[in-house]
Amino acid sequence: SAVISQKPSRDICQRGTSLTIQCQVDSQVTMMFWYRQQPGQSLTLIATANQGSEATYESGFVIDKFPISRPNLTFSTLTVSNMSPEDSSIYLCSVLNPLTSTDTQYFGPGTRLTVL
Amino acid sequence: LAKTTQPISMDSYEGQEVNITCSHNNIATNDYITWYQQFPSQGPRFIIQGYKTKVTNEVASLFIPADRKSSTLSLPRVSLSDTAVYYCLVGDWGSGNTGKLIFGQGTTLQVKP
Repeated sequence: SAVISQKPSRDICQRGTSLTIQCQVDSQVTMMFWYRQQPGQSLTLIATANQGSEATYESGFVIDKFPISRPNLTFSTLTVSNMSPEDSSIYLCSVLNPLTSTDTQYFGPGTRLTVL
Repeated sequence: LAKTTQPISMDSYEGQEVNITCSHNNIATNDYITWYQQFPSQGPRFIIQGYKTKVTNEVASLFIPADRKSSTLSLPRVSLSDTAVYYCLVGDWGSGNTGKLIFGQGTTLQVKP
């Protein structure tokens, strides 16, 4: 299975500022995703991070608010811009490598963001 | 992507077998069924995946009837450490597909001593 790390693991930020979250995988993967999990809720897909091109965003999420980069097959960043308290959530990256036999998606440990 | 329906919560006692059933009436021919476990403040962890009949690994078993419109995750002899949220997901994540996972609300399993 893929080993995924995220930085930072948690942060407390002031409203109006931005935070960039990093996701690093120990092996090359074809697909990477970013999810948000608000307190007490299930996971919601934000976007698919495409290597070398613009991310594909789900309904309700826009690039200006959540810019995403994916410069190579092992790394991606998610920026939460102009934060408000409503952005307080856990942000998780996940990876999928369809070349594996089970097509299993693996998740990182998450970044817990608190916006004051 | 097929929608899934699970019980919101379940209680059990240590040492019991727990069965969590998931309904997915609109499952497509190429869809797989996957279960994840999530502990508080952690990312979801893959438990088991199957297409039809029965799949077993060191952690759980997954029972899928012939019509594939439901599936049952079976956890043998649960312990307190199995207290978590369990998610059932259905989708086709093979090469060339989007790979998107759509999470439902999951089942919160509480194991009591």
